[in-house]
Amino acid sequence: TQLLEQSPQFLSIQEGENLTVYCNSSSVFSSLQWYRQEPGEGPVLLVTVVTGGEVKKLKRLTFQFGDARKDSSLHITAAQPGDTGLYLCAGVSQGGSEKLVFGKGMKLTVNP
Amino acid sequence: NAGVTQTPKFQVLKTGQSMTLQCAQDMNHEYMSWYRQDPGMGLRLIHYSVGAGITDQGEVPNGYNVSRSTTEDFPLRLLSAAPSQTSVYFCASSYNTGEGGYTFGSGTRLTVV
Repeated sequence: TQLLEQSPQFLSIQEGENLTVYCNSSSVFSSLQWYRQEPGEGPVLLVTVVTGGEVKKLKRLTFQFGDARKDSSLHITAAQPGDTGLYLCAGVSQGGSEKLVFGKGMKLTVNP
Repeated sequence: NAGVTQTPKFQVLKTGQSMTLQCAQDMNHEYMSWYRQDPGMGLRLIHYSVGAGITDQGEVPNGYNVSRSTTEDFPLRLLSAAPSQTSVYFCASSYNTGEGGYTFGSGTRLTVV
């Protein structure tokens, strides 16, 4: 079973700061996805990256897929209190399995 | 469009009891999965299905059964509940696991006493 390691696991910052979340594995993925989850709700998909080296932007969020397709990062610029939540990365392993496995997540708190 | 609907939202079971967590989606998605979420453990895959009649095990399948008789429904059965199965359970569906991403239900919070 491939393992997805996320770091940091917890982050508390002030409004306006920048941050980067990392998602690393020793396995190669055919795609990597990022989700955001708020308390009491299910995760909501933010982005899917499928090509090594791919960069996608979603407003103040920038997602990158590593060249070797083993890792990914999420960068948030000028964080706002509304960004508070649990950020989860998830991957589909290369090789035909349709399993989507998740990292443990990063709990972000943005203080006003 | 209802998306992914899970019932019940909350449930308390006694050890040894059985129950079925229901999951239905109205998006005609082929792929469906069940996850459990525990503090500090993230989301762990229990079982998944790539289409009606096809299911496979995930990371933590022991104590759970599934079946997929229709595209819309993917129930999760606990045959003999144990306290270790206390968790929040999420059902999710996708048209394409790799590129499409999953749509999640709002979860079932299960407590086994």
